[in-house]
Amino acid sequence: GAGVSQSPRYKVTKRGQDVALRCDPISGHVSLYWYRQALGQGPEFLTYFNYEAQQDKSGLPNDRFSAERPEGSISTLTIQRTEQRDSAMYRCASSLLTSGKAGELFFGEGSRLTVL
Amino acid sequence: DAKTTQPPSMDCAEGRAANLPCNHSTISGNEYVYWYRQIHSQGPQYIIHGLKNNETNEMASLIITEDRKSSTLILPHATLRDTAVYYCIVRAPGANNLFFGTGTRLTVIP
Repeated sequence: GAGVSQSPRYKVTKRGQDVALRCDPISGHVSLYWYRQALGQGPEFLTYFNYEAQQDKSGLPNDRFSAERPEGSISTLTIQRTEQRDSAMYRCASSLLTSGKAGELFFGEGSRLTVL
Repeated sequence: DAKTTQPPSMDCAEGRAANLPCNHSTISGNEYVYWYRQIHSQGPQYIIHGLKNNETNEMASLIITEDRKSSTLILPHATLRDTAVYYCIVRAPGANNLFFGTGTRLTVIP
């Protein structure tokens, strides 16, 4: 597709369940980012990939959160044993490179996670 | 770790210029100033970026002070569709993390 695609758009789960959120970046984009956004706040960085390599995972809140991008394209963010505080909008972004105009991030529409 | 300071909200009359300030007094020599905006529940959208020269594109103009400690995003003729949260971000080349902060909520008034 032309833009960054995320699925599912909405996910409601019970506390303790695992969830997997998928991101399909713009074709050819080297860098892929995961952000989390709480209501009324700006996006908060979680992790970042260049190709298939996870370059920075310093924003992942704890070890229940993990991400992968095995073939350097589609990425999955997995949250294990979900808790209510994990409820948020999870946004994926991709960029051609990491600097200048080519460092422009293109964001998807997000996956809204609600943990009951 | 906020590197930028922005007013939490601003209003602007439709058709007038919207001038959104940003303070980045601790900016490093190689850090760029980026502006993004987020309309309602959509993902953030890139607007413009610059290093030290003023920049203009089809969306906006970016004025960076000579000492680079502050900048202003100018929307020359604001429309109702420009109502959004505007984020000012400083970023070094190759840095992966854009720190968004809380931005400025611009409301364009008819």
